[in-house]
Amino acid sequence: AQSVSQHNHHVILSEAASLELGCNYSYGGTVNLFWYVQYPGQHLQLLLKYFSGDPLVKGIKGFEAEFIKSKFSFNLRKPSVQWSDTAEYFCAVNRPGGYQKVTFGTGTKLQVIP
Amino acid sequence: DTEVTQTPKHLVMGMTNKKSLKCEQHMGHRAMYWYKQKAKKPPELMFVYSYEKLSINESVPSRFSPECPNSSLLNLHLHALQPEDSALYLCASSQVSGGEQYFGPGTRLTVT
Repeated sequence: AQSVSQHNHHVILSEAASLELGCNYSYGGTVNLFWYVQYPGQHLQLLLKYFSGDPLVKGIKGFEAEFIKSKFSFNLRKPSVQWSDTAEYFCAVNRPGGYQKVTFGTGTKLQVIP
Repeated sequence: DTEVTQTPKHLVMGMTNKKSLKCEQHMGHRAMYWYKQKAKKPPELMFVYSYEKLSINESVPSRFSPECPNSSLLNLHLHALQPEDSALYLCASSQVSGGEQYFGPGTRLTVT
């Protein structure tokens, strides 16, 4: 069974600081990787996804993530955060091919201070 | 249109009530999902429907009864719930071939 670990549970940054949120997954086969964001009072939205190809993927709102297969990692980055990035961030994984259960990490709460 | 809609937004029910949650999507997705999300926790999968047939049941208690009447609609029928079932219930949809799931805003359920 697959599992996802997010080691940062709560991150507090000042505006314009750089962000990196860690995500490691546990599964020996091929995986699809996702980062979802949940803004306060809003529904889960897809930030970015990796299925195959270039391991550096760019998403919405200036976010990017890098898939490092040897480290089973898919860390999320943003060079300069804004107050509006305050949200809960979930890393997620599923197996390719067909409808598949998405396994979410425990989430990282990001608080950006103006 | 990449929207998944859910009704109602909020629901309060007693332990003897019967209620239903509804989910609708018009993206042509033939896989639909129910998740449960407790406060400060990640979503947990409950059910998956593929081509209107139940494909995955994650050992969910029978007081939760899903139904997929057509390719656009997904219901979750609730009966004799417990206070610990209070949570945000999320619906999602995707292509049957896989890929990202699109989530609705959820129904916040409180069982009294």
